[in-house]
Amino acid sequence: DGGITQSPKYLFRKEGQNVTLSCEQNLNHDAMYWYRQDPGQGLRLIYYSQIVNDFQKGDIAEGYSVSREKKESFPLTVTSAQKNPTAFYLCASSIDVPTTEAFFGQGTRLTVV
Amino acid sequence: AQSVTQLGSHVSVSEGALVLLRCNYSSSVPPYLFWYVQYPNQGLQLLLKYTSAATLVKGINGFEAEFKKSETSFHLTKPSAHMSDAAEYFCAVSDQYTGFQKLVFGTGTRLLVSP
Repeated sequence: DGGITQSPKYLFRKEGQNVTLSCEQNLNHDAMYWYRQDPGQGLRLIYYSQIVNDFQKGDIAEGYSVSREKKESFPLTVTSAQKNPTAFYLCASSIDVPTTEAFFGQGTRLTVV
Repeated sequence: AQSVTQLGSHVSVSEGALVLLRCNYSSSVPPYLFWYVQYPNQGLQLLLKYTSAATLVKGINGFEAEFKKSETSFHLTKPSAHMSDAAEYFCAVSDQYTGFQKLVFGTGTRLLVSP
């Protein structure tokens, strides 16, 4: 079954810690994205990658980092510099054409404790 | 810059009633428009999309949307609501001239369906 797998589903982080959220896809999509979702704010783009070994900042990249070493994988690290990391994080992938839809993973809910 | 506005953070309907969720877009170029649905603690699922073919677009689960350029709107409708339609709905726009698929989302509308 093709799709996008995010892990873990729930993640707790202590203040000052870095954490990495996993995103893997087997859809053979070139483009991958990370979005942050907060209540009442919709989805905001953190980072995106159109091709392996290349990625671009989105609208709210501060305090986050990514890598794209393999086509299938696009992990997101939430660093201690992110002041308000508690949110729902969604990974997506797509064929890199504007008319095509993005396919989403099931999300990771990150909570700072 | 492109944007979408979804009027109404919450919409309540009775089961069997018409569903109307509003979306207006702002774009300097012809847009591509999408509606997604999200169930609690889940990812987003595509309902339908407009990519400059037919202006009336039919999607899954009985939903449809009409692209109206004169009104810069892409409202989502369903003739008869079902309890299983209760979810959050997002309108999104993609710029065909960016050369890649980059979605800008609205703030979402939560649909509540009462028996």
